[in-house]
Amino acid sequence: EPEVTQTPSHQVTQMGQEVILRCVPISNHLYFYWYRQILGQKVEFLVSFYNNEISEKSEIFDDQFSVERPDGSNFTLKIRSTKLEDSAMYFCASSEGHTDTQYFGPGTRLTVL
Amino acid sequence: GDSVTQMEGPVTLSEEAFLTINCTYTATGYPSLFWYVQYPGEGLQLLLKATKADDKGSNKGFEATYRKETTSFHLEKGSVQVSDSAVYFCALSANTGFQKLVFGTGTRLLVSP
Repeated sequence: EPEVTQTPSHQVTQMGQEVILRCVPISNHLYFYWYRQILGQKVEFLVSFYNNEISEKSEIFDDQFSVERPDGSNFTLKIRSTKLEDSAMYFCASSEGHTDTQYFGPGTRLTVL
Repeated sequence: GDSVTQMEGPVTLSEEAFLTINCTYTATGYPSLFWYVQYPGEGLQLLLKATKADDKGSNKGFEATYRKETTSFHLEKGSVQVSDSAVYFCALSANTGFQKLVFGTGTRLLVSP
């Protein structure tokens, strides 16, 4: 069964460093999403992406964040200058159509020291 | 804005016990409602969904009914198994725009033999 994959599973970085979280969505899906979950808090929507552009973003998704689909398979989330409060589990998801079920990856745990 | 509230965990049950995990929501319009499950080390998986009032979603012995009058979508299972131990997330999508999901905090279920 096709699945969404994410790498790395755990990323540790120093405050102020850039990180790139990688996702491989399901191959025939057209809509891509990033969510995050700070420990003990809700899973929060960050951004949705379709047709090579951001379709919606939350207030969390400020200028420090960017997303890219650099090739036909990867979908990346970049944080330019990490802060302590960026420590969270980051989930990638994809769907075939915008009203279809979103399939999630296993997440990347980001720890900012 | 839209929000989802679900009961705090962990919920600890013995095998074959009856399970209820409460979920209530606040939304404008007519959202779709979902339960996602996360098994250890895995991503969020869609467990069931309901798209309109009075719909019942069901899967793997779990069920939930969309109750518009009480704005609730409680998850139930008649007889839990050890393999049901996981974190359960209630979520909604507003059915407008690009279908971002709004999640509750998640409820951890622990089932002992």
